[in-house]
Amino acid sequence: GAGVSQSPSNKVTEKGKDVELRCDPISGHTALYWYRQSLGQGLEFLIYFQGNSAPDKSGLPSDRFSAERTGGSVSTLTIQRTQQEDSAVYLCASSFQGEDNEQFFGPGTRLTVL
Amino acid sequence: DQQVKQNSPSLSVQEGRISILNCDYTNSMFDYFLWYKKYPAEGPTFLISISSIKDKNEDGRFTVFLNKSAKHLSLHIVPSQPGDSAVYFCAARGSGNTGKLIFGQGTTLQVKP
Repeated sequence: GAGVSQSPSNKVTEKGKDVELRCDPISGHTALYWYRQSLGQGLEFLIYFQGNSAPDKSGLPSDRFSAERTGGSVSTLTIQRTQQEDSAVYLCASSFQGEDNEQFFGPGTRLTVL
Repeated sequence: DQQVKQNSPSLSVQEGRISILNCDYTNSMFDYFLWYKKYPAEGPTFLISISSIKDKNEDGRFTVFLNKSAKHLSLHIVPSQPGDSAVYFCAARGSGNTGKLIFGQGTTLQVKP
């Protein structure tokens, strides 16, 4: 399939550890988004990459969170010194350039911080 | 501050009847609204959208209505089918050159055969 893929599908970690979550967008999509869904909540915007422009980081909840996108394709979301409140499903989406284009979501990574 | 709200966490409807899912928003700068559908263990999939310059958009069994004065939109599904059972998220996009979406909390729809 040529959809958005994310890895790992599940991640269990101990409080204080660092984690990396990976997103492979649909080939040709220049825009990439990270969202997270905490239990019982809607999707919360984290960060948005569009081509070579500076990313919109306005949704990152703290400086423990960072993301990068290498070569305009694969993206990695890193959470340092994880806390229990970081437990959530982290979803990646991609789209063609332009704000009107549909965002296609990956299946998400379920992160559990013990 | 929740800018997009779905006040009904769940809805149960009989097959063949109409399902109405509601969504309220607070930011008058939102210019585009979307509905996404999500099955367990899958990412959300786009269902239907509406621009703020319209008050209705229809696609098959799905119709979205927008009432800008009330800052309210709704999704109508008719006739409802058991395969429609899923979590439905309302989302809004701000004006300007940004693709980021603001989502509601979701409504779980159950369509009973």
